[in-house]
Amino acid sequence: AQSVAQPEDQVNVAEGNPLTVKCTYSVSGNPYLFWYVQYPNRGLQFLLKYITGDNLVKGSYGFEAEFNKSQTSFHLKKPSALVSDSALYFCAVRDIMDSNYQLIWGAGTKLIIKP
Amino acid sequence: EAQVTQNPRYLITVTGKKLTVTCSQNMNHEYMSWYRQDPGLGLRQIYYSMNVEVTDKGDVPEGYKVSRKEKRNFPLILESPSPNQTSLYFCASSRGGPYYEQFFGPGTRLTVL
Repeated sequence: AQSVAQPEDQVNVAEGNPLTVKCTYSVSGNPYLFWYVQYPNRGLQFLLKYITGDNLVKGSYGFEAEFNKSQTSFHLKKPSALVSDSALYFCAVRDIMDSNYQLIWGAGTKLIIKP
Repeated sequence: EAQVTQNPRYLITVTGKKLTVTCSQNMNHEYMSWYRQDPGLGLRQIYYSMNVEVTDKGDVPEGYKVSRKEKRNFPLILESPSPNQTSLYFCASSRGGPYYEQFFGPGTRLTVL
């Protein structure tokens, strides 16, 4: 069965420190992986995706994510956190073999950046 | 401006009173989808559509209907709402392939009393 796990409900980081939001997945075939961010009272916004190629993917707002096939992970990272990064982050995966384009979503991780 | 719009943004209604939440996109996207977001459960897909007149059930379709008569519009219909449908609803659209990102509307917060 396909699944996505975001093992931390909440991550607290001091401003200026590096941040990591974890995501692991399970699919039958190869994955398409996505990160989205939801700011308070807003819809979700696309951050970055891994389709193929370089395992390190760069996205919006200085975020990046590393695809690790052996560990089936796609952790989101940023070298220096900003207070404005505080939001809810969702990881999602799509199985390349899935013909109906459905995304499997993680439960979300609340990121709190403290000044 | 490329966007997905939803209306209404907030709705309080009573059990059994039919309602429709509209969704429209101006990006000529083929794929559209409805999600509900509940605390601790993330996003759950209700219905999706891969093109005009083509719709299919997602993970939680019970109690909902959709239609896709035009490419830009994808309304969500609750024929007889119940309190367990109180939730935050999002419409999304994307190009017609699995590797394209989705664009989300601002959300509709629905309360069913």
